[in-house]
Amino acid sequence: EVQLLESAGGLVQPGGSLRLSCAASGFTFHLYAMSWVRQAPGKGLEWVSGIGATGSLKSYADSVKGRFTISRDNSDNTMFLQMSSLRAEDTAVYYCVKSAGILLAFPLDYWGQGAPVTVSS
Amino acid sequence: QSALTQPPSVSGSPGQSVTIACTGTSTDVGSYDRVSWYQQPPGTVPKLIISEVNHRPSGVPDRFSGSKSGYTASLTISGLQAEDEADYYCSSYTTSSSWVFGGGTKLTVL
Repeated sequence: EVQLLESAGGLVQPGGSLRLSCAASGFTFHLYAMSWVRQAPGKGLEWVSGIGATGSLKSYADSVKGRFTISRDNSDNTMFLQMSSLRAEDTAVYYCVKSAGILLAFPLDYWGQGAPVTVSS
Repeated sequence: QSALTQPPSVSGSPGQSVTIACTGTSTDVGSYDRVSWYQQPPGTVPKLIISEVNHRPSGVPDRFSGSKSGYTASLTISGLQAEDEADYYCSSYTTSSSWVFGGGTKLTVL
């Protein structure tokens, strides 16, 4: 059974930093691309960032480019999202999402339960 | 990376059919057959129900179907059931090697 377990998230002040992690199990992690998708309170889904299976290809939404960094450790079946220069508009539930193949172009087929992040003073 | 366009809401009675449209541009829906649809009942995690325009993952009822023409993709739900009440999101892969979602459509079963 595919399981994606995000770290706890938390409350951060504007301008601050936070690192999310996602522990994956139930599938061969290094064969699948992964993404982060967020959902602000009462709002829709927004794709944030994605990383190919090998970690060499990374992609970001314009809204987070230059502030967020995605990475993965295939030896530990874990994906990360380093978030810096956080803004109030980054407040959302952040979902760890698995792709159906090695490339980002494959559909997003399994979602974690989400990690709530609140940016507020 | 502008969001895909979906109607904010649709509704239908049990047993009826509803269609949700999702309009993009030449850089997303118009470029690839990489359109997916997700179902999100209140308080739950999104679930993939259609991938690559018209493929249903295992376990998704055949009442759900997808199609695409030009820059517009569509999700059709036939034989509406009360349990279908949820938010529905389309998404498309883009020429920027990213994904873009629609704003979401709230389906109400009357």
